[in-house]
Amino acid sequence: QVHLQESGPGLVKASETLSLICTVSGYSISSGYYWGWMRQPPGKGLEWIGNLYHTGVTYCNPSLKSRVTISVDTSKNQFSLKLSSVTAADTAVYYCARVTAAYTAQFDYWGQGTLVSVSS
Amino acid sequence: QSALTQPPSASGSPGQSVTISCTGTSSDVGGYNYVSWYQQHPGKAPKLMIYEVTKRPSGVPDRFSGSKSGYSASLTVSGLQAEDEADYYCSSYAGDYTLVFGGGTKLTVL
Repeated sequence: QVHLQESGPGLVKASETLSLICTVSGYSISSGYYWGWMRQPPGKGLEWIGNLYHTGVTYCNPSLKSRVTISVDTSKNQFSLKLSSVTAADTAVYYCARVTAAYTAQFDYWGQGTLVSVSS
Repeated sequence: QSALTQPPSASGSPGQSVTISCTGTSSDVGGYNYVSWYQQHPGKAPKLMIYEVTKRPSGVPDRFSGSKSGYSASLTVSGLQAEDEADYYCSSYAGDYTLVFGGGTKLTVL
């Protein structure tokens, strides 16, 4: 069974960089599929952040692209998200998930999510 | 890239059917057959219910079905059950390897 788990600080100061890691178990990232990040502000809807392939190819939401870095560590079966220059608007539950391809919008396995709050 | 448009709420009585719409443009829903639907219960991660407009993952009841016409996709839940009460989100491929979600619909089982 594929399992994903997000980890990282729950509190980040405004203007600093948010950093999260997604650890995958039950499936090797190097075996294929894409891997994605989404977020959900409290009481609001889902927003796609970006997708990653194990080769390092990434695709990002144009509205966040200038601040987002997504990378992979296949040796640890992990992928990560960095979001720079955060503001209160970046406060959200952040999810990682597996997606069948870069164009399918088919996220079949999700992590439980982790709340990141941005303090002023 | 704008969010897909969903009604904020929908409701139905147990046993009834309810349909939730998801409206986009020719650049997303209308241009590709890559629309997915997700169910999210409070405090939980989203769950994939429909992909590629009409396909159901293994384990999803056949009470859930999807369709698309023009720039709009729809999720229909037949034979409503109490456990179907949740938020539902649509998502679509939007070209250039980007994805977009809808604003979400809160389904209430009366």
